[in-house]
Amino acid sequence: KAGVTQTPRYLIKTRGQQVTLSCSPISGHRSVSWYQQTPGQGLQFLFEYFSETQRNKGNFPGRFSGRQFSNSRSEMNVSTLELGDSALYLCASSLDVLRGGGNNEKLFFGSGTQLSVL
Amino acid sequence: AQKITQTQPGMFVQEKEAVTLDCTYDTSDPSYGLFWYKQPSSGEMIFLIYQGSYDQQNATEGRYSLNFQKARKSANLVISASQLGDSAMYFCAMKAGANNLFFGTGTRLTVIP
Repeated sequence: KAGVTQTPRYLIKTRGQQVTLSCSPISGHRSVSWYQQTPGQGLQFLFEYFSETQRNKGNFPGRFSGRQFSNSRSEMNVSTLELGDSALYLCASSLDVLRGGGNNEKLFFGSGTQLSVL
Repeated sequence: AQKITQTQPGMFVQEKEAVTLDCTYDTSDPSYGLFWYKQPSSGEMIFLIYQGSYDQQNATEGRYSLNFQKARKSANLVISASQLGDSAMYFCAMKAGANNLFFGTGTRLTVIP
């Protein structure tokens, strides 16, 4: 069974540009969530999608957005990039067999997209 | 609010020895889940072990075991018989309510041959 796939693996952008990251969850997984990892702030939750709807959102500015498609694949977009957006962006998927996401739902992560903003 | 604390930025262990990575947590929600993930230099977060707040027994997965002390709000990871491939960052995380994880700051484990 294929794991969570994130593309691209590496990305270099300049300030002011926008970027789109892609995530394909494990087959059958319906929940997709995104996390940002930086040396200074650690791992922070961005948002979670389930059945094409954003179900939960972290504390990030509106420049960060996402969406989920009918096949559960997800994309996240960052507009007007800033230097501080340089980070590893991790996508995670889970089965979510329990409505609303149970506390025992294991999240499985991809290898991430390393974004560098110059 | 949920909070996860990992007080050990780095740990060293001799190959084949056991090591304990500390994790304490705080939440007002009586129902929560505790997770440990391993992150090698490749970046992928690898799920290791899970403990539910209502689980009576400590979780075990192969060489990994979770020392869950609910009254102390601690969920330490024990790795037995350390291997060189265990060298990585280890993150403790918690879920309470919503389906997202709160992570600690991580512990970098180095296994010495």
